[in-house]
Amino acid sequence: SYVLTQPPSVSVAPGQTARITCGGNNIGSKSVHWYQQKPGQAPVLVVYDDSDRPSGIPERFSGSNSGNTATLTISRVEAGDEADYYCQVWDSNSDHPGVFGTGTKVTVL
Amino acid sequence: EVQLVESGGVVIQPGGSLRLSCVASGFTFADYTIHWVRQAPGKGLEWVSLISWDGGSKYYADSVRGRFTVSRDNSKKSLYLQMNSLRIEDTALYYCAKEIHPYGDQDSLDSWGQGTLVTVSS
Repeated sequence: SYVLTQPPSVSVAPGQTARITCGGNNIGSKSVHWYQQKPGQAPVLVVYDDSDRPSGIPERFSGSNSGNTATLTISRVEAGDEADYYCQVWDSNSDHPGVFGTGTKVTVL
Repeated sequence: EVQLVESGGVVIQPGGSLRLSCVASGFTFADYTIHWVRQAPGKGLEWVSLISWDGGSKYYADSVRGRFTVSRDNSKKSLYLQMNSLRIEDTALYYCAKEIHPYGDQDSLDSWGQGTLVTVSS
């Protein structure tokens, strides 16, 4: 089955840029979605279809996808961005298509 | 405002059965594919199942196939997850979530409920 690999943790100072990677075999051929989850809360979609933002999500959140790696970039990081982030794809050739990444804890120093 | 409210989570013994419900409001429920996603305590997200907007397509994770059954009643704006032969490893917070676009198939999930906790323990 399809596997998505994320770094367990990323640390970043306020005002700097955080980059969270999501690795998968030829992931560039798939649409990647990113979710933010704060403690005790449900996940929130922050980027969909590689690089689109839902309404209400700041422009500081952006995404890219190519080759074997997709990346979520958070610019001008704020304390409120501290959360777990998950990438997700659909493996459409599978009978169990939903796949989430392992998750990355973003810590704002 | 889009709302998804899950219910039905309890503490149950291994081997037992349980039905979770998810009631929707604030959008045309019948037009959207809906998913179940779970999260074990302290762990990451795990996709569980989806049912298409018309109920014609259903998919399951390998870990639950043959034990869980997803269904929906569009007239009641409700989604269900029948869970049989429960195992300790099924212990998790179960979320329902809707896709971002109507009549979609395996799209991003733009609205989530707050989850209902299922604890499988002897």
